[in-house]
Amino acid sequence: DQQVKQNSPSLSVQEGRISILNCDYTNSMFDYFLWYKKYPAEGPTFLISISSIKDKNEDGRFTVFLNKSAKHLSLHIVPSQPGDSAVYFCAARSMNSGGYQKVTFGIGTKLQVIP
Amino acid sequence: KAGVTQTPRYLIKTRGQQVTLSCSPISGHRSVSWYQQTPGQGLQFLFEYFSETQRNKGNFPGRFSGRQFSNSRSEMNVSTLELGDSALYLCASSPDREQFFGPGTRLTVL
Repeated sequence: DQQVKQNSPSLSVQEGRISILNCDYTNSMFDYFLWYKKYPAEGPTFLISISSIKDKNEDGRFTVFLNKSAKHLSLHIVPSQPGDSAVYFCAARSMNSGGYQKVTFGIGTKLQVIP
Repeated sequence: KAGVTQTPRYLIKTRGQQVTLSCSPISGHRSVSWYQQTPGQGLQFLFEYFSETQRNKGNFPGRFSGRQFSNSRSEMNVSTLELGDSALYLCASSPDREQFFGPGTRLTVL
């Protein structure tokens, strides 16, 4: 039961253009969403996040949009740079009955930015 | 601050053996989580420890266990290894909602 879905395993974009990575979720109890970037041979690094009470969060070239009614979020990278080539994981947080957080990850989307 | 460190970085074991992986969190972080990453499965949550107590557990068999020490360092143990346990095991420490990951331990089971 995949509660966080990244349906595109890979994406290729020309340098300077916009990259849009998509993520769908099924659990309405998720209250916080995060994007992580992972380079080969390294652990994931936090990129940007958004609370479920917001619909947009921007940080430099990175913007995350949240559509709660559609249970969909997307990460926009503008302009895309070759150094952005990595695997991007969408993640969502829920709280268990003890009030402790659990983070659920998608399977990742491999972004390739072509110079 | 030093980042999350994991040892060893690479490990080769045979079926039936057991393995222990170690994780040292960022200083001051008391929460440590473990994940298994395999191709096509993304990061699968194993468990989370906070102040030496397991707070959350994923859907893995009892062969997977962990513990946390008073200095927040954590270990993960897998007993009776199976071929399907071959994966990258990631440890993450957290002060709040964001998690900081180590480089992972690549386990290969032959």
